[in-house]
Amino acid sequence: AQSVAQPEDQVNVAEGNPLTVKCTYSVSGNPYLFWYVQYPNRGLQFLLKYITGDNLVKGSYGFEAEFNKSQTSFHLKKPSALVSDSALYFCAVRGQYSSGSARQLTFGSGTQLTVLP
Amino acid sequence: DGGITQSPKYLFRKEGQNVTLSCEQNLNHDAMYWYRQDPGQGLRLIYYSQIVNDFQKGDIAEGYSVSREKKESFPLTVTSAQKNPTAFYLCASSTASGGLSDTQYFGPGTRLTVL
Repeated sequence: AQSVAQPEDQVNVAEGNPLTVKCTYSVSGNPYLFWYVQYPNRGLQFLLKYITGDNLVKGSYGFEAEFNKSQTSFHLKKPSALVSDSALYFCAVRGQYSSGSARQLTFGSGTQLTVLP
Repeated sequence: DGGITQSPKYLFRKEGQNVTLSCEQNLNHDAMYWYRQDPGQGLRLIYYSQIVNDFQKGDIAEGYSVSREKKESFPLTVTSAQKNPTAFYLCASSTASGGLSDTQYFGPGTRLTVL
């Protein structure tokens, strides 16, 4: 079965500092990885995805994510955090050899990012 | 959220009632999905449909039903058999049917509360 772990429920960072939101995964075959952001009482917004190729993926709003196959991780990063980045972040994965409903996205439990002014 | 609409935004249900949540998309996407979101649990898949007139159960389908009579519409009915329906419900769609690199795009959600 495929799974995603976001080990930190809450991440606090000062405005202007770099931020990292962690994600590790377990899938059958090659992974297809996604990051989404959710603001209060809103739907999820797509940030970026990794399919294949370059291990550093650039996405919306200055976010990027680094794929590390040996560590089965896909951490979300931003060089300089903004107060407006404060939101709930979800990592999601599907595996190359997943079947049935597992072929759909499996989401992590989310990480609440708070950027302090 | 653009291109996918969900209604109503807030919904209150009495115990024993069935309620239907609407999801419409104008993105010409083939696949549509329903998720349930509970605090601290992330998103869990209820049902998905890869093509009109066909749909599949997700991980937590019990107490829910869906239909896919039109490409742009995928309504979800929460039946009285669902024991704990209070949650935030999210609809999503994607371009291709089951493609591994497909990106799912989400609607704004419906918050259902059982009174």
